[in-house]
Amino acid sequence: EAGVVQSPRYKIIEKKQPVAFWCNPISGHNTLYWYLQNLGQGPELLIRYENEEAVDDSQLPKDRFSAERLKGVDSTLKIQPAELGDSAVYLCASSLGARVGTDTQYFGPGTRLTVL
Amino acid sequence: AQSVSQHNHHVILSEAASLELGCNYSYGGTVNLFWYVQYPGQHLQLLLKYFSGDPLVKGIKGFEAEFIKSKFSFNLRKPSVQWSDTAEYFCAVIPLSNFGNEKLTFGTGTRLTIIP
Repeated sequence: EAGVVQSPRYKIIEKKQPVAFWCNPISGHNTLYWYLQNLGQGPELLIRYENEEAVDDSQLPKDRFSAERLKGVDSTLKIQPAELGDSAVYLCASSLGARVGTDTQYFGPGTRLTVL
Repeated sequence: AQSVSQHNHHVILSEAASLELGCNYSYGGTVNLFWYVQYPGQHLQLLLKYFSGDPLVKGIKGFEAEFIKSKFSFNLRKPSVQWSDTAEYFCAVIPLSNFGNEKLTFGTGTRLTIIP
């Protein structure tokens, strides 16, 4: 069974440029998560989707970050414009969607963003 | 807000040594608990989880963890480590609620280095 797929794996951009990350969850997983992982820290939730609906986006900085999950499968996370402090690893995870509290989340390899 | 503390930032052991990594959380209600591992160059993967029942849970690769409710702790253990256990280990907690906004909170991680 294929795992969570993310692309690109690495991205280097200059500040003020836009950037987008793509995630394809495990087939059949209804819940999709985007996490931010800063160096030396654990992942922190940015947004959670149940199918195509964003049900928890309280931690997403909406002035520059946006996300979408069209048709309830693939998802894209965008930053526009990027700032130096956005340099981090962006992780996507998915789970079956029975209940967040008891679901096991499966993580992708992440996209390492460097903003110069 | 809940928090998860992993006090050991970097642990260095020789092969065959015993391992215990600490994890404490702050939340007074019912929680589910997880340990995730990230091997060098790989994605986060689930090592073990505790939802209910026997507070001593066994995971993959000989790891186990003990939930001590009175101490708000969920320490990870392995009796004899191998070089292949070199990785970063993350404790994660999700408080269970009736309101649906359950969120997985990670600790800052412990980097484990095993010396052959």
